Amino acid sequence: DSGVTQTPKHLITATGQRVTLRCSPRSGDLSVYWYQQSLDQGLQFLIQYYNGEERAKGNILERFSAQQFPDLHSELNLSSLELGDSALYFCASSVVGATAETGELFFGEGSRLTVL
Amino acid sequence: AQKITQTQPGMFVQEKEAVTLDCTYDTSDPSYGLFWYKQPSSGEMIFLIYQGSYDQQNATEGRYSLNFQKARKSANLVISASQLGDSAMYFCAMREPSQGGSEKLVFGKGTKLTVNP
Repeated sequence: DSGVTQTPKHLITATGQRVTLRCSPRSGDLSVYWYQQSLDQGLQFLIQYYNGEERAKGNILERFSAQQFPDLHSELNLSSLELGDSALYFCASSVVGATAETGELFFGEGSRLTVL
Repeated sequence: AQKITQTQPGMFVQEKEAVTLDCTYDTSDPSYGLFWYKQPSSGEMIFLIYQGSYDQQNATEGRYSLNFQKARKSANLVISASQLGDSAMYFCAMREPSQGGSEKLVFGKGTKLTVNP
């Protein structure tokens, strides 16, 4: 158990719909990352938040948005869903800064999204 | 350009034997970190081992070791005494300093390891 909690574990929805994925980081971790894993693209970095502020942006579509709340949990919102958005979405958290020994990311179990 | 290259889509190994999974990386920054993760069929991502670019010795964690060849920009994972439970996807990843201080990891496409009894 990594300590990172993601909900829901599975989600099936239709094209054009909107979904929200939720992530609770490990206790004490200020940084949250979102990754998308699809068969053809591998693990793609979407976005990172640190203590409520956006820190880095990757290949995140304009239809997708994220935020990190004061209690440090994060949500990834996916709208106008397309078939190609079907993927496993991971949230990860990490210790950040000089005190981080290795800075590895601790991953949640992922949210598997199927768009029909 | 790909920053992390894993050239072996699939590898097979006999139980109890050692196996090496290849990873090469591309960076011009002298400070970076290299990681290996395991993803079993259940889907979770499990951190295995870390190597910092300034580390003098190759990293080891139990049956996992990292063959770090800095000049060749390679960071191969060696699994000794393979077990059936080692069957999984293995991802190599790199963290390099970036503007804004992001600590994100960039992943390779992975190698699927199958351990045969």
